Formats: sequence, structure tokens, C-alpha cells
Amino acid sequence: GQQLNQSPQSMFIQEGEDVSMNCTSSSIFNTWLWYKQEPGEGPVLLIALYKAGELTSNGRLTAQFGITRKDSFLNISASIPSDVGIYFCAGPSTARQLTFGSGTQLTVLP
Amino acid sequence: SAVISQKPSRDICQRGTSLTIQCQVDSQVTMMFWYRQQPGQSLTLIATANQGSEATYESGFVIDKFPISRPNLTFSTLTVSNMSPEDSSIYLCSVEGSSGSTEQFFGPGTRLTVL
Repeated sequence: GQQLNQSPQSMFIQEGEDVSMNCTSSSIFNTWLWYKQEPGEGPVLLIALYKAGELTSNGRLTAQFGITRKDSFLNISASIPSDVGIYFCAGPSTARQLTFGSGTQLTVLP
Repeated sequence: SAVISQKPSRDICQRGTSLTIQCQVDSQVTMMFWYRQQPGQSLTLIATANQGSEATYESGFVIDKFPISRPNLTFSTLTVSNMSPEDSSIYLCSVEGSSGSTEQFFGPGTRLTVL
């Protein structure tokens, strides 16, 4: 089946710094989704991408759908303590099922 | 997006027992999904549940171990049967954003610990 490789596995950054994480696929995706999961909660959808080359923002978050359709990037600008959590990329393994990346654990230091 | 609740939010169970997890949605949805998230790991799809039909299980998951019910368009249950410590995980239900949509929205999860 399709596999998603997400990196980095974890990040420790200072408050105010920018963050970048990425996800690559072994095959072409038509959709890329980015989720954030906080402790004790389910994943929350942050950004959905539907077109190769698409760049979409949600506040301080920006995500891009790679031109090759095999990768996607998520950037967080000017990080704040509430950005702490695990960020997952996801893409459709079938028309309506999702495959998730391994996650990026983000820690923001004051 | 739909509001999704799960019960229980957490439980501690003894080996060999079974636990049924409930997932309730505030609107009618065609497809519901059940995931397992082992400690420190990503999400793995257990099965897809459509109302009025048998659930479709992913490789490595079987109905005898994880029976699923989907009695109507707003509710589903997942049972973890004959539990062992290896079943200790977070179990999450999700629903598709709209009919045919790839986007999924998740419940808060059920944290299960098996002793």
C-alpha cells in the first residue's frame, strides 16, 4: 500500500521561530491533508490541499501541495506555546480512506 | 464540521474482557471509520463502517476481534474483544466531511489500558 514518510520526527524550537515539516509519498496523491493532535484529543484538520502546486494558508500555517504530487510541506510562522502537539500529514489510500504519516512532534520552548 | 463524541473517554480493563466503544455524530453521515493509535504511533485504520452493511476490515484486523455495529447514520460501536495488553491504545472514530469527501473529522478518542 501507499506509504507516507514524514520528517522530522520531532522538533524543539524557541517561541517565535518558524517551523517547517514535510511529507513524501511513494505514489501520487490527489489530496494532501494536515492534522494536529494535542494530548488527549483526536486529530484536528488544519489544511486541505487539492491541486498540485497549491499553496494554502490558515493563519500562521501555510501548506503546499508539491508539483510532483508526491510531497507536501507545512510551515508554521512565529511559533507560540499553543502550537505544541503532533502534526500528521494524510492522503487518500483509496477514494475515501486515509493513510497517515508517522507524525512530527513539535515542542515550543519559552 | 460534524461534532463527534466518544464514550468512554478512557478505561482500564482486565485481560480477557471486552470493551465496547461508542461513537455519536450530531449529523447523518454515510461513512464512519475506526482507527487505532498505539502509544507514540500514528493512526492505523481498523475498518470502515457503512450503515446497513457489514464493516470492511483492513489487513491485520478481523471481525471476531473488533466487531463493529452501525445501526443508523449517526452512531457506531467498536468492540475490542478478549483484550490483551497489546490492545492498549487510543481508539478513534472519524466521519467523512461530506459525501464523497476525502476529509475526515475525528472524535476525541478512547484511551484504553489493558492490564
